[in-house]
Amino acid sequence: QKEVEQNSGPLSVPEGAIASLNCTYSDRGSQSFFWYRQYSGKSPELIMSIYSNGDKEDGRFTAQLNKASQYVSLLIRDSQPSDSATYLCAVRNFGNEKLTFGTGTRLTIIP
Amino acid sequence: DVKVTQSSRYLVKRTGEKVFLECVQDMDHENMFWYRQDPGLGLRLIYFSYDVKMKEKGDIPEGYSVSREKKERFSLILESASTNQTSMYLCASSLGSEKVYGYTFGSGTRLTVV
Repeated sequence: QKEVEQNSGPLSVPEGAIASLNCTYSDRGSQSFFWYRQYSGKSPELIMSIYSNGDKEDGRFTAQLNKASQYVSLLIRDSQPSDSATYLCAVRNFGNEKLTFGTGTRLTIIP
Repeated sequence: DVKVTQSSRYLVKRTGEKVFLECVQDMDHENMFWYRQDPGLGLRLIYFSYDVKMKEKGDIPEGYSVSREKKERFSLILESASTNQTSMYLCASSLGSEKVYGYTFGSGTRLTVV
């Protein structure tokens, strides 16, 4: 089992709809969780981080964490064509300098 | 904002050459990392450093070495480049190991070995 798993997609969502991206992780000691957005040919950029169970909202983005189910998700409301990118989930375990990344979900917003 | 600068955006090198990839960060970050990214394989950690002159192997260190002589600079060295090292190389830094700290990535170097 991979440490961090994401559906590779592609996930196609109509413009204006909610895009839902999911990530599961295997280590119950995981402490913090990050979502990165990566446009084609570019480097990843951090868009959300979450450490506590529940929801965290930032503009059109909401990160959701359920540690009991070892599940973290990213919701994008009012999806725009500019949201089309690959979204990487990353996990940090306690006291670890390193992040462990999933392989990413490719999201396409259809105008 | 933290800036992580990679010296080259594109590089083409010949098999057997020694290749240096440079990374500089400007915000006194403790930790620096080198990843390669390949289609279908995601980000794979090559080496990381948590302090000057300190380094630790990541998941795929074979064929690579690193140098961190100053806090702001972390260099990746391909001792003898091979075609299977053709990839996108990403440098990243983070302030520390506390849970709140994510990575900031450089813009990447796309290396082609011919």
